[in-house]
Amino acid sequence: NAGVTQTPKFRVLKTGQSMTLLCAQDMNHEYMYWYRQDPGMGLRLIHYSVGEGTTAKGEVPDGYNVSRLKKQNFLLGLESAAPSQTSVYFCASRSDGRHYNEQFFGPGTRLTVL
Amino acid sequence: GESVGLHLPTLSVQEGDNSIINCAYSNSASDYFIWYKQESGKGPQFIIDIRSNMDKRQGQRVTVLLNKTVKHLSLQIAATQPGDSAVYFCAEAHYGNNRLAFGKGNQVVVIP
Repeated sequence: NAGVTQTPKFRVLKTGQSMTLLCAQDMNHEYMYWYRQDPGMGLRLIHYSVGEGTTAKGEVPDGYNVSRLKKQNFLLGLESAAPSQTSVYFCASRSDGRHYNEQFFGPGTRLTVL
Repeated sequence: GESVGLHLPTLSVQEGDNSIINCAYSNSASDYFIWYKQESGKGPQFIIDIRSNMDKRQGQRVTVLLNKTVKHLSLQIAATQPGDSAVYFCAEAHYGNNRLAFGKGNQVVVIP
């Protein structure tokens, strides 16, 4: 099993450009999450999904959109990138079983917006 | 993989010594408290959790202590090894909330 994978690993954007980050998991997990990690801020939840076809807002959703068309994929979109969105983005997934505190994280995507 | 240059509280510990990492939480209604470890260049990884009605739980080389009176959580690592060098996050969970709330993290540096 590959676990949770993220594409791309690095990306540099200019202000106003758009892009999509792809997260894929092969563990048949129901729940998927997108976080951003900034210096001194820990992990902050952007959006999450409790199953295929569902999405919900997290702590810092503004400027981002998500889609969960397939159970194994969770896409994070930036329609018009801003320098404040420079960050490291992590995707995570978890099952709906008894170990629901255990989220499995991908390796992250470093995004720089100039 | 990715990591973030975090300006975090740092604990330096000699290899073989015990480490204690502390976390203050705010939500008395949380049902679980969890510890995650993030090694450089990787995503966070689950270590251990503790239910809110417990005050101690032990895992392999780790012990989590919960003091609800002062809203304090700690992670003890026995016989710290170089592979324990990482950033450690505490997190809170509430039944039915479907998500975790992470703290800001503590850096642990193991000195060989």
